[in-house]
Amino acid sequence: DAGVTQSPTHLIKTRGQHVTLRCSPISGHKSVSWYQQVLGQGPQFIFQYYEKEERGRGNFPDRFSARQFPNYSSELNVNALLLGDSALYLCASSLIRVPGELFFGEGSRLTVL
Amino acid sequence: AQSVTQPDIHITVSEGASLELRCNYSYGATPYLFWYVQSPGQGLQLLLKYFSGDTLVQGIKGFEAEFKRSQSSFNLRKPSVHWSDAAEYFCAVGVSSGSARQLTFGSGTQLTVLP
Repeated sequence: DAGVTQSPTHLIKTRGQHVTLRCSPISGHKSVSWYQQVLGQGPQFIFQYYEKEERGRGNFPDRFSARQFPNYSSELNVNALLLGDSALYLCASSLIRVPGELFFGEGSRLTVL
Repeated sequence: AQSVTQPDIHITVSEGASLELRCNYSYGATPYLFWYVQSPGQGLQLLLKYFSGDTLVQGIKGFEAEFKRSQSSFNLRKPSVHWSDAAEYFCAVGVSSGSARQLTFGSGTQLTVLP
């Protein structure tokens, strides 16, 4: 079975631009979460979606938004990029009945210049 | 709010030596606790998890962890380290409420294995 897939794997943007990151969960997983991992730090929770509804949001500005589609794939959007948004963005999928057992993709490495 | 502290930023051990990575958590209720491992350029892989019951949990790759409520700790151990264990290790505490699921991670411990 395919794991969590994310695209693109790497991208470079300039300040003020917008970025869209995409994630396909493991088949059968209806929950998708997004985490930001800045170099040298642990991942920080951004969003969780389950059954196409937002179920949780971390301490991130409104420039960050996400959505989940009927096929349970997800997009993370970041507007008005700042240098500090440079990070590895990780998507994880899970089964709701098993709390915390997240399956992570390999991430999208965003560099903002 | 929950938090996780990993006091050791970097640990170096020789191949074949034993390993213990420390993790302390802060959470008001009974925690769900996890250890994840991240190899360079890759996502995170779950090593083991604690939900309830036996406080000594076994994971993949020969790792184990012990939950000590009195010390708010969940330390990761391995009796004999292999060179392939070199990676970054993250401890995490999970929050569940209804269908909401959220992990809070520590800042990680980088493990170097000497030949």
